[in-house]
Amino acid sequence: KAGVTQTPRYLIKTRGQQVTLSCSPISGHRSVSWYQQTPGQGLQFLFEYFSETQRNKGNFPGRFSGRQFSNSRSEMNVSTLELGDSALYLCASSSPGRSQETQYFGPGTRLLVL
Amino acid sequence: DAKTTQPPSMDCAEGRAANLPCNHSTISGNEYVYWYRQIHSQGPQYIIHGLKNNETNEMASLIITEDRKSSTLILPHATLRDTAVYYCIVPSNTGKLIFGQGTTLQVKP
Repeated sequence: KAGVTQTPRYLIKTRGQQVTLSCSPISGHRSVSWYQQTPGQGLQFLFEYFSETQRNKGNFPGRFSGRQFSNSRSEMNVSTLELGDSALYLCASSSPGRSQETQYFGPGTRLLVL
Repeated sequence: DAKTTQPPSMDCAEGRAANLPCNHSTISGNEYVYWYRQIHSQGPQYIIHGLKNNETNEMASLIITEDRKSSTLILPHATLRDTAVYYCIVPSNTGKLIFGQGTTLQVKP
């Protein structure tokens, strides 16, 4: 089985712009979670989607949003980018939606905001 | 907040067993212990998980104490490629993973 894929792998944006990141889960996985990793804050949970619905949300401002499509692929969007949004954004998928299922991570998208 | 406590760093000689401890004294009866590792700038890699019995797979062994308040991840023959940050995690009841600072394992030749 192919693993979790994320696109793009690297991205450079400027302050005030918006960005959309994409995640394709492992085939058959219906839950997708997003995490942000920065040197200062470590790995932090953003949100989780299951069956096109946000099921869980972390403590991030409303500029961070996401969605999930019927094929379980997910996107996250960050609007009005700030310098502090520079981070590695990771998505993880799990099967088939039970909360204790193992999460498998993608390689991440590294975002640099200038 | 993270429910686990790990030492910030450990060294291990190549070819020797690496034993990484984790305390999870507030774990409840139906909560699992998961271990992940993250090699520099890559996504975290799942290693193993367990509830109360010891577990073994092709990557590692997990030893959980009888009272379930602590566990040890064992890499039986560490190689240089095992150098990474190792995270011990007890997922929340919603499945959310709360990552602490983990243990940075340095495998030395």
